[in-house]
Amino acid sequence: EAGVAQSPRYKIIEKRQSVAFWCNPISGHATLYWYQQILGQGPKLLIQFQNNGVVDDSQLPKDRFSAERLKGVDSTLKIQPAKLEDSAVYLCASKGGGAFTDTQYFGPGTRLTVL
Amino acid sequence: GDSVTQMEGPVTLSEEAFLTINCTYTATGYPSLFWYVQYPGEGLQLLLKATKADDKGSNKGFEATYRKETTSFHLEKGSVQVSDSAVYFCALSDRGNTGKLIFGQGTTLQVKP
Repeated sequence: EAGVAQSPRYKIIEKRQSVAFWCNPISGHATLYWYQQILGQGPKLLIQFQNNGVVDDSQLPKDRFSAERLKGVDSTLKIQPAKLEDSAVYLCASKGGGAFTDTQYFGPGTRLTVL
Repeated sequence: GDSVTQMEGPVTLSEEAFLTINCTYTATGYPSLFWYVQYPGEGLQLLLKATKADDKGSNKGFEATYRKETTSFHLEKGSVQVSDSAVYFCALSDRGNTGKLIFGQGTTLQVKP
């Protein structure tokens, strides 16, 4: 079974530029998460999708971050404009099964550096 | 809100030493508890989990027991190897709501030959 795919793996941009990350979850997984992991910290949830609907985006800085999951499969996360404090690893995770399945599977992440 | 606290790192051990990484949690409901591991240059991998009180999760020689009375989920291994060098994250899942993971800050383990 293929795992969660993410691209690009690394991205370096100047502040105020825009950037987009892509995630392809495990086939058949209805739930998709985006987490932000700042160096030296644990991942923190940015947004959660159930199929193509948003379940939780309470921690997403909506003035600059946006995310979508068209057709309930792939997802993109965008930052526009980027700030220095957005430098982090952006992790995508997916979860399948029913309400009592709680194991999330993570992709390799995208390391973003904002200069 | 719910939270997870891990012991500060880095933890440096010699090969074959006994490992304990402490993890305590605060939660209003009955969360599932997890340990994830992140090897250098790789993504997070599930190491083990426990879904209810007194459950013991185990994998690759690592163990952790869900202790509701002490709100703890400490990670242990009897004999570490150099290949166990990684960052370990304790996490809880809010099963009652969105199921999102709440992570501790991570503990870096370095095992020397």
